[in-house]
Amino acid sequence: DSGVTQTPKHLITATGQRVTLRCSPRSGDLSVYWYQQSLDQGLQFLIQYYNGEERAKGNILERFSAQQFPDLHSELNLSSLELGDSALYFCASSVGQSVNYGYTFGSGTRLTVV
Amino acid sequence: QQQVKQSPQSLIVQKGGISIINCAYENTAFDYFPWYQQFPGKGPALLIAIRPDVSEKKEGRFTISFNKSAKQFSLHIMDSQPGDSATYFCAASIGTGNQFYFGTGTSLTVIP
Repeated sequence: DSGVTQTPKHLITATGQRVTLRCSPRSGDLSVYWYQQSLDQGLQFLIQYYNGEERAKGNILERFSAQQFPDLHSELNLSSLELGDSALYFCASSVGQSVNYGYTFGSGTRLTVV
Repeated sequence: QQQVKQSPQSLIVQKGGISIINCAYENTAFDYFPWYQQFPGKGPALLIAIRPDVSEKKEGRFTISFNKSAKQFSLHIMDSQPGDSATYFCAASIGTGNQFYFGTGTSLTVIP
């Protein structure tokens, strides 16, 4: 167990729908990072939050949004879902704001859009 | 575009053999190069990492070789074991940056 908790583990939904993925970071970690893993693209950085504030954005679609709450858990919201959004979504956490502090990944949420 | 290119996509090795996975990058600002190991149903976990001031780093059966001039680095797994069967990702980052740039992964199968 890495200490980073992601729920749900699996999610199946229809095109056009909206889903919310949840991540609880390791105890003491202030940063949460979201990554999308698809078969042909590998792991792609989506967004980072540090202590409740957005710190960096990567290849995140406008249909996607995220937030980090006062208890430091984070939610990734995916709306107007398309078939191509089917992927593994990973959350990672770290104690600091940059990669210098290292990452710990959760086990991921597998999203299937049908 | 893919900032870190990884090959091969898949690799089959006999038990006891050497597994070699290669990565190449273009951005000379990268200064940290980790390798992650991912088992099915799990998230990636840090295996070993190197900074460009050294050409090689060894931890047990795992070695990273780094060629700064060629902008390439590779993972060598000596005496490969069936338990090493997993997907391996190389990655790169810039010092105070916020993200890792990952390769597309190599699926390693070690045959008993």
